[in-house]
Amino acid sequence: GAVVSQHPSRVICKSGTSVKIECRSLDFQATTMFWYRQFPKQSLMLMATSNEGSKATYEQGVEKDKFLINHASLTLSTLTVTSAHPEDSSFYICSAFTGGEDSPLHFGNGTRLTVT
Amino acid sequence: AQTVTQSQPEMSVQEAETVTLSCTYDTSENNYYLFWYKQPPSRQMILVIRQEAYKQQNATENRFSVNFQKAAKSFSLKISDSQLGDTAMYFCAFMKYNTDKLIFGTGTRLQVFP
Repeated sequence: GAVVSQHPSRVICKSGTSVKIECRSLDFQATTMFWYRQFPKQSLMLMATSNEGSKATYEQGVEKDKFLINHASLTLSTLTVTSAHPEDSSFYICSAFTGGEDSPLHFGNGTRLTVT
Repeated sequence: AQTVTQSQPEMSVQEAETVTLSCTYDTSENNYYLFWYKQPPSRQMILVIRQEAYKQQNATENRFSVNFQKAAKSFSLKISDSQLGDTAMYFCAFMKYNTDKLIFGTGTRLQVFP
């Protein structure tokens, strides 16, 4: 079945540095991918919609200059957290729409980001 | 704007028993989808069940079934014959028709006891 691969699963970075998270669709083409953020014991909040070949659409309150999204191919979207701060520590999850009837969205395994 | 509310932060059930998780939502849309997702300790989001709003028949998937009340905007999940592996966070989610954006509720943590 369709699989969404997210890498890395865990990352620790120092405050002020940038970190890149990759989301790949392994056996299907994804023109649209979604990035969610989940704080501990909280729900998933949509951050942005990543569109292949065009600019991402950010949800209200999400800083586009801080969370850079690039969707350069039909199988890869990247989220770069720039100038990370401790408050950016969170669990980031991507998802991709396959268009199939079985499930509209498939989720990656998530990336736990810790900024020290 | 659409909102999804899960009023039960935590629930517990004994193995083999039945438990019902509540979900209500608010929308002015007529065409939409509703979902229940499970998030075990691994954090992987797993689709449990989905319901199309235009279908009156309640969706079922093995031990999982929903009670969809469109007029009341209610979408509860019933888990029958609960198993230890059902222990997880359960999220109710809403998706407007012709979009792919999921709006999640705050989740219910379910603990299944032996």
